[in-house]
Formats: sequence, C-alpha cells, structure tokens
Amino acid sequence: DIQMTQSPSAMSASVGDRVTITCRASQDINNYLAWFQQKPGKVPKRLIYASSTLHSGVPSRFSGSGSGTEFTLTISSLQPEDSATYYCLQHRTNPRTFGQGTKVELK
Amino acid sequence: EVQLVESGGGLVQPGRSLRLSCTTSGFTFGDYCMSWVRQAPGKGLEWVGFIRSIINGGTTEYAASVEGRFTISRDNSENIAYLQMNSLKVEDTAVYYCTKDYGGQQANNDAFDFWGQGTKVTVSS
Repeated sequence: DIQMTQSPSAMSASVGDRVTITCRASQDINNYLAWFQQKPGKVPKRLIYASSTLHSGVPSRFSGSGSGTEFTLTISSLQPEDSATYYCLQHRTNPRTFGQGTKVELK
Repeated sequence: EVQLVESGGGLVQPGRSLRLSCTTSGFTFGDYCMSWVRQAPGKGLEWVGFIRSIINGGTTEYAASVEGRFTISRDNSENIAYLQMNSLKVEDTAVYYCTKDYGGQQANNDAFDFWGQGTKVTVSS
C-alpha cells in the first residue's frame, strides 16, 4: 500500500500569511493527487486535483504543485474562512490513501 | 446539478449488518466508478472501497480493514450505489460518505469531485 505522509499535523497562522502543507507518497503516484478542505461537521470539499488543477469555484489563493512523491498545497494569503483541516489523497493505486490531515487555525 | 444522497445509517449492535445506499443524479452514473469513504469520530478520512464503472467491469476493491465483511454493489438502472456492511465492529462507527470517483474507460486523475452529505453509522451494544 502507498503511505501518504502529510505535514505538519497542525499549524497556526495569521490572516495574510502564506501557508504550505506537504504530502509525501511512499511510491511514485505520478500526479494522481487531490487536496480537500474539511470544516467541522461538514463534507470534505475538493480544492485541487491532478496535483495542481484548481477545482471549479475554488479561490485562486489555493494552489498545488508536485509530481511523483512530493506534493504541496499552498494558500498564498490565509483568510479567516480557510480555518479547516486539509487532507491529501492519492488515487494512483488501490487502496486509495489519505494523508493524516493538517489542521490550520488562525492566530 | 450533481447530487449524491446517502441513507441507511443508524445504530446497530456489533456483529449485525447494515446496508447503506447512495442515490445519485445529475451525471451518467454508469460511466463512473464510485467510492465509499468513512470518518470515525474525531479522526481523519479513510477510504473504504470502490466499484468500477460498467465499462470497467463493475469490479470492486476494498480496504484491508473491511475486506471480507463489506460489499459494494451498484444498480445502474436506478443510479444507486450500495455498501453492504456485515459483521460490524465497534471500530466501524463513522460517518460514511459516497463519492464520485473517476469516469471513462481508463483511470484518470479527475476524481472525488462530488461527495454526499454522509450517513452516520454507530456500532454499539
């Protein structure tokens, strides 16, 4: 199985800060990598797919990059509504595997 | 408008069974693989399994934690995906989501774009 190691597990940042979250895959997953945002009690929302393609309607301050085994999600200027938990997901092979999640809080 | 609506959750005793349904609309259901994902209370997301589209044979794959106990099926005439859960354990307690996986004949990296609202399953005596 492919392991997805996501870091950090939690972070605190101020409005306007640049935030970077990393996912490392234990094997090459090409660009079969998606990022999701989940707020408490809500359904996960896809932000990014194919490693770097922005899902329709997602603000442009979100971006993704990477290929192979190293991937990043960047929020260029953190906004109050971005307080949430973020997950990466590889779907190159089965079983699909999620990262452990990164909880982003506002300072 | 794409919609996925899960139903069938509830409270069940350990060792018993439950069947979840995912009723879909707004897309050509038979052309898409469908995945189930769960989230235990206070925990992260866990992929449960998926069923391939018609053109890909409708076969299934499962996470090791549910293999042999859970079965995913689909009714392409009614646009519904099912998750049959047998021999339930306390650790199966979670919110269960269905999600639209990839479409087309070959796996591609545009998947998991739409999710249902989830249905809560509690396994307890």
